[in-house]
Amino acid sequence: TQLLEQSPQFLSIQEGENLTVYCNSSSVFSSLQWYRQEPGEGPVLLVTVVTGGEVKKLKRLTFQFGDARKDSSLHITAAQPGDTGLYLCAGVRGSGYALNFGKGTSLLVTP
Amino acid sequence: SAVISQKPSRDICQRGTSLTIQCQVDSQVTMMFWYRQQPGQSLTLIATANQGSEATYESGFVIDKFPISRPNLTFSTLTVSNMSPEDSSIYLCSVVGGRGADTQYFGPGTRLTVL
Repeated sequence: TQLLEQSPQFLSIQEGENLTVYCNSSSVFSSLQWYRQEPGEGPVLLVTVVTGGEVKKLKRLTFQFGDARKDSSLHITAAQPGDTGLYLCAGVRGSGYALNFGKGTSLLVTP
Repeated sequence: SAVISQKPSRDICQRGTSLTIQCQVDSQVTMMFWYRQQPGQSLTLIATANQGSEATYESGFVIDKFPISRPNLTFSTLTVSNMSPEDSSIYLCSVVGGRGADTQYFGPGTRLTVL
């Protein structure tokens, strides 16, 4: 059973466009992380959101945690080819550290 | 941040054999985990590696198939036993604690292909 549903699964856009990736669940998470993974490498943490309604910005990336702590979104403004990669959301339930990952969104940004 | 290395980075193995993957961290960490990422799929937690005691396995994973050791706070191994083609995956270790505090850092992964 997949706890976290990510959409879209694949996204191919032109440089300069905006995009939003969604991560949804029926479960409540104590925190939610967004990772980016490039081929041949492990996931690299982009951000952790903890508080319901929280918004965090990382340059052109904006992350939001839903008020009920069940969902999150990642918005990229003016995408660049360097943004290409697999974006993964992962949630922590309770007080542990074990991560439940979504299936990921594979993003391709073409010049 | 914690720097994590894994050995081997990739391997091609025959069915029925076993492979041990090593995970080395450059600082002492509180927790170490092993994940599997099957082709085109996301990451699935295999187990939590506990120092000095048996690992804690997630549903669907058993010690006989995936024995894990963690002799100290910087090192762990995962063995994939009696391999079949279905075990072809990327295996990743991750750590929490130490210089990275509560952040979970991932190793580069070991790409395993079973023929």
